[in-house]
Amino acid sequence: EIVLTQSPDFQSVTPKEKVTITCRASQSIGSDLHWYQQKPGQSPKLLIKSASQSISGVPSRFRGSGSGTDFTLTIMSLEAEDAAAYYCHQSSSLPETFGQGTNLEIK
Amino acid sequence: QVQLVQSGAEVKKPGASVKVSCKTSGYTFTDYFMHWVRQSPGQGLEWMGWMNPQSGGTGYAQKLQGRVAMPMDTSISTVYMELSRLTSDDTAVYFCVREYRGSYDFWGQGTRVTVSS
Repeated sequence: EIVLTQSPDFQSVTPKEKVTITCRASQSIGSDLHWYQQKPGQSPKLLIKSASQSISGVPSRFRGSGSGTDFTLTIMSLEAEDAAAYYCHQSSSLPETFGQGTNLEIK
Repeated sequence: QVQLVQSGAEVKKPGASVKVSCKTSGYTFTDYFMHWVRQSPGQGLEWMGWMNPQSGGTGYAQKLQGRVAMPMDTSISTVYMELSRLTSDDTAVYFCVREYRGSYDFWGQGTRVTVSS
């Protein structure tokens, strides 16, 4: 089973700050890495697919990068509405797995 | 527009079974794989399995093998998740998701299943 380890687990940030969340895979997964945002009481929402591909309707401040084992989700200029949990997910091999999540708090 | 609408919350006793439905609309049902993902209270996301609506093929997480099934009814574009021999560890919110090239592009609203004596 491929383990995905996110860092940090929690971050408190101010609006307009640049935020970086990392996801490290226990073995190479190519670009089969996707990012989701989940707000309290809601279903997760796809933010970035295949490591770096943007999703229609998702603000351009969300950017993904990386390949192999190391991946990054960057929020270029944080807005108050970005307070949420963020998860990475690999679809390279079964069982599909998720990172443990990163909780983002807005100061 | 694509919609995945799940059945309502369930409360079950240990040892019982649960069946959650996920009615899809807004796209061709047989064109996309479906998966089920669950989230325990305050915890992260756990993949449970996949199903191919075109062939009926399925694949399940090893830890759930023998307890989980993911049937479908093509006539009403609906997929199901059945979980048997429930324990308190199965208390979670269950999501059906549509897969597009590996990512989960649409999610159901979630179904809360509580297992309690």
